[in-house]
Amino acid sequence: EVQLVETGGGLIQPGGSLRLSCAASGFTVSSNFMSWVRQAPGKGLEWLSVIYSGGGSTYYADSVKGRFTISRDNSKNTLFLQMNSLRADDTAVYYCARARILAGSYDYFDYWGQGTLVTVSS
Amino acid sequence: DIQMTQSPSSLSASVGDRVTITCRAGQTINNFLNWYQQKPGKAPNLLIFAASRLQSGVPSRFSGSGSGTDFTLTISSLQPEDFATYYCQQSFSSRTFGQGTKLEIK
Repeated sequence: EVQLVETGGGLIQPGGSLRLSCAASGFTVSSNFMSWVRQAPGKGLEWLSVIYSGGGSTYYADSVKGRFTISRDNSKNTLFLQMNSLRADDTAVYYCARARILAGSYDYFDYWGQGTLVTVSS
Repeated sequence: DIQMTQSPSSLSASVGDRVTITCRAGQTINNFLNWYQQKPGKAPNLLIFAASRLQSGVPSRFSGSGSGTDFTLTISSLQPEDFATYYCQQSFSSRTFGQGTKLEIK
């Protein structure tokens, strides 16, 4: 059974750093595209980042480029999101999601974690 | 970034109604369009991928159509469990979501 479990959220002061983890089971993280998506309170979904299978190329939304870093640990079958220089508008529930590839880099998110809440506030 | 615009933003309907939600892309995205359902406090759930392909386990009352820039999600006969928020998402160029359509009980 495919499962994704995010951890690492919490309350952090503006300017601080936090690392989110997404532990996967039932499939191999390194063999799949994996993404992070967030949802600010009462708002819609915002895609943040993807790490491709194999070589692990990474891409980011403009809103987090240069501040957030996606990575994975193949030995732990875990995805990470390192978040630096956090701002109040980064407050959101953060989801990791597995992406299935249909063609080229076209993908869709077929499994999601339950989400972890990050609150940026002084 | 490709902007995705859903309409309406909210919708009231009754059990048994046929409902259609529209998603328009800012540029052509071929058929690289997915639809998700999200209930309060839960993660999104994939309904449709590649514009019209039903995800395994999703009831057949859900259907999708469209290509290029204009897409629709149709629920043929609303059930009580369908009241939720629906999002479209493109992955033709990077990935972006529509702003969501909240489907409420009339």
